[in-house]
Amino acid sequence: GQQVMQIPQYQHVQEGEDFTTYCNSSTTLSNIQWYKQRPGGHPVFLIQLVKSGEVKKQKRLTFQFGEAKKNSSLHITATQTTDVGTYFCAGPEEYGNKLVFGAGTILRVKS
Amino acid sequence: ETGVTQTPRHLVMGMTNKKSLKCEQHLGHNAMYWYKQSAKKPLELMFVYSLEERVENNSVPSRFSPECPNSSHLFLHLHTLQPEDSALYLCASSQDGSSGGHYEQYFGPGTRLTVT
Repeated sequence: GQQVMQIPQYQHVQEGEDFTTYCNSSTTLSNIQWYKQRPGGHPVFLIQLVKSGEVKKQKRLTFQFGEAKKNSSLHITATQTTDVGTYFCAGPEEYGNKLVFGAGTILRVKS
Repeated sequence: ETGVTQTPRHLVMGMTNKKSLKCEQHLGHNAMYWYKQSAKKPLELMFVYSLEERVENNSVPSRFSPECPNSSHLFLHLHTLQPEDSALYLCASSQDGSSGGHYEQYFGPGTRLTVT
């Protein structure tokens, strides 16, 4: 079945350093969504990308959707302790009613 | 955020108990979902309801029984659970469940379930 893979699984960074997580789908996606889950919290929708090659920014966060619409990345510039959490990417199932989530990247920020 | 609420927030139950989890969404969505989140495992989709009809059952054991009486409410009835069922159970809603994940999902805070 359709798979969505994320790397890395974990990342520890020093506060102020940049961070990037990558997402790869086994199939072409109609859209890619990103969610953040703080420790002890629940996933919160961040953004959706739809167009091939699309780039969107939210303050220090930059999201990209690959040209082939099979991969995506989330880049955080100058991380802060508030960025701590797990970042999930997710894409719609090609045929069905599911949103297929990646396993997530856990970000820890050392101050 | 109070768009999707879940009760109880924490639940401890024995393997012979019967309990129910409740989810309510105040966003006017017509699709609702149950997910299971275990430690060190990806989010596992359990059930999808679109317009109050179950459209997805992701090979979930029969000891989990969902109910969707209307588009705002979703229940998960639990009976004779196993210790490995201990996890965070998350409810989510979205604008439209029929188009398969094309709309973002809004999650509730979850119920932390411990089966003893």
